[in-house]
Amino acid sequence: EDKVVQSPLSLVVHEGDTVTLNCSYEVTNFRSLLWYKQEKKAPTFLFMLTSSGIEKKSGRLSSILDKKELFSILNITATQTGDSAIYLCAVEAARGSTLGRLYFGRGTQLTVWP
Amino acid sequence: KAGVTQTPRYLIKTRGQQVTLSCSPISGHRSVSWYQQTPGQGLQFLFEYFSETQRNKGNFPGRFSGRQFSNSRSEMNVSTLELGDSALYLCASSPRPGQGFSGNTIYFGEGSWLTVV
Repeated sequence: EDKVVQSPLSLVVHEGDTVTLNCSYEVTNFRSLLWYKQEKKAPTFLFMLTSSGIEKKSGRLSSILDKKELFSILNITATQTGDSAIYLCAVEAARGSTLGRLYFGRGTQLTVWP
Repeated sequence: KAGVTQTPRYLIKTRGQQVTLSCSPISGHRSVSWYQQTPGQGLQFLFEYFSETQRNKGNFPGRFSGRQFSNSRSEMNVSTLELGDSALYLCASSPRPGQGFSGNTIYFGEGSWLTVV
């Protein structure tokens, strides 16, 4: 059965700390791995990763994928209170020639204290 | 450009009732997918519609159904509501079917919070 496991499920840090969020997966016909940030509203897209070892970076956030070990990490440096959110990892699995679907993990609830 | 719009945002229903949720995708997007989000299970895929046809379906009972109209707007219906159906129901739209496929990024609405009492 296809699954995506995120850890930790929750994390509390202080502003300025660096955090690493983990996502491991077991999915047939892997296509891509995506990270989303969800505050008290719609999840918003952060990164899409398809190739191993290539880091994607956006400001203080970065992510990398290891397709051999079937995991990804999301790093946030110099955390701010605005980083408090649920971080969702999703893996796209191919179904047929082009139609894929996303499998989501349960998310990591990050709380950043001032 | 308007985002994905879901209505209603909040609703309370009693067990046994049915509910219909609506989703208007981003203009020009023809694919709409639905997810159920609960604290215990996270986001779980319900189904995806493209060109008024269900293209993909998750592992939910037949009480959960959906449809898509010619203008790409979509509705989902849950019949005979159970307490466990209490959740945030998220709709997402994308230009083409196949979520996340090579940059076919999906865009989420803010969801409909359903409470079943």
